[in-house]
Order: sequence, then C-alpha cells, then structure tokens
Amino acid sequence: DGGITQSPKYLFRKEGQNVTLSCEQNLNHDAMYWYRQDPGQGLRLIYYSQIVNDFQKGDIAEGYSVSREKKESFPLTVTSAQKNPTAFYLCASSIGQNNEKLFFGSGTQLSVL
Amino acid sequence: GQSLEQPSEVTAVEGAIVQINCTYQTSGFYGLSWYQQHDGGAPTFLSYNGLDGLEETGRFSSFLSRSDSYGYLLLQELQMKDSASYFCAVRARNSGNTPLVFGKGTRLSVIA
Repeated sequence: DGGITQSPKYLFRKEGQNVTLSCEQNLNHDAMYWYRQDPGQGLRLIYYSQIVNDFQKGDIAEGYSVSREKKESFPLTVTSAQKNPTAFYLCASSIGQNNEKLFFGSGTQLSVL
Repeated sequence: GQSLEQPSEVTAVEGAIVQINCTYQTSGFYGLSWYQQHDGGAPTFLSYNGLDGLEETGRFSSFLSRSDSYGYLLLQELQMKDSASYFCAVRARNSGNTPLVFGKGTRLSVIA
C-alpha cells in the first residue's frame, strides 16, 4: 500500500539536544511538507519542498532544519534553538506543488524531558 | 496573508445535520478545502471547492461563496464516528507556489 510513514510515533528530547523526525513516502509525490500542531490549534507550516534538493521556509521555520536529498524522504531536525518543541508534528505530501489534496502521515509526538 | 476563522467547538445529536462555517480574509486564493482529523490521527482530505457553490460527497457537502468570503461544511445523518476536528484551508493565489494554510479547526462532538 502506498502512503506516508512517519517515525518514531513518540520522541523525547533532552535540553540542548537535536532530534530528527523521519518522513518517507512511496506515493511518488513531488511536494512534501512539515506542519506543527499544538493542542487546540490548527496546522502551522514549518518547511516545504516542491522538488528534490529544494525547500522553502514556512511560517515557523526558526529552530528547525530539513533536507530533501531523495524524492521519497523529507526529514525534519528540531534543533536546540527551538525553545518550545513540544508538539505534534505532521508530514504530508501532494502530487504536485499546486495541489489542495494533501496526504498526511500519522504524526510524531515530540516531548521535552 | 490569509486568515481563516472557524468556531472552536460544535456539538450535535446523532442523526442530525450540522454546519461548520469558515470565514476568511485573503486577497486571492484558489479554493477552499476541508480536512477531518480524529484525535491523535492524521488529517484526511474531505473536499475542495474551486468554484462557488455546493459540492456533495455522500453525507458531506461543502459550500463556497467568494463574494461573501465564506464557506461551510455540512454533515448530514451524523454518526458517532463523525466526532473529530474539521479544518478549512486555503492556498493563496500569489506569484510562485504556495502551500495550504489551515484554520484552527472546529471540534465536533456527536452525542446520542
């Protein structure tokens, strides 16, 4: 079955530590996205990539970094510069860069120890 | 930029009809989308209105009026499994390519 896989489902970060969230898709989609969701809030865009080796900052990119070395993979690193990282992180993909239909992974819940 | 407003919570009775409104402020956009998210789960695409009017998909319908900067999601014959959060979203019509911007979501509780 095609889809988007996020791992791990739960992740804990210590103070000053960088952590990386994995996102892999086998849908052959060109565009991939990272959203952050806080309780009772909507989805806020962190980074997005429309094509391999290219990505753009979203509304809340500070304290995060990404890479897009392969079409299938779009990992997100939460750096120590992100002072409030506790949130639910959702990865998504779409067929093209101008497409309203996003396919989401099951998310990673990141908490700070 | 874009700003979308939705009610934070709605409660409705099983078997009834409920309407979730979305008002927006944006200079131009392609259309209005709706997503459903169950607690702890992934958002899933429900519908897209690229043109004004009503789009129907089974028990769910979605409406858009660009002149009123307003849209809604209509759920009929409510079932307990419809209890979830519902998000409206738009993609701005700017130069270049822009991703979806989501509202804060409406939490729907279906009660017996």
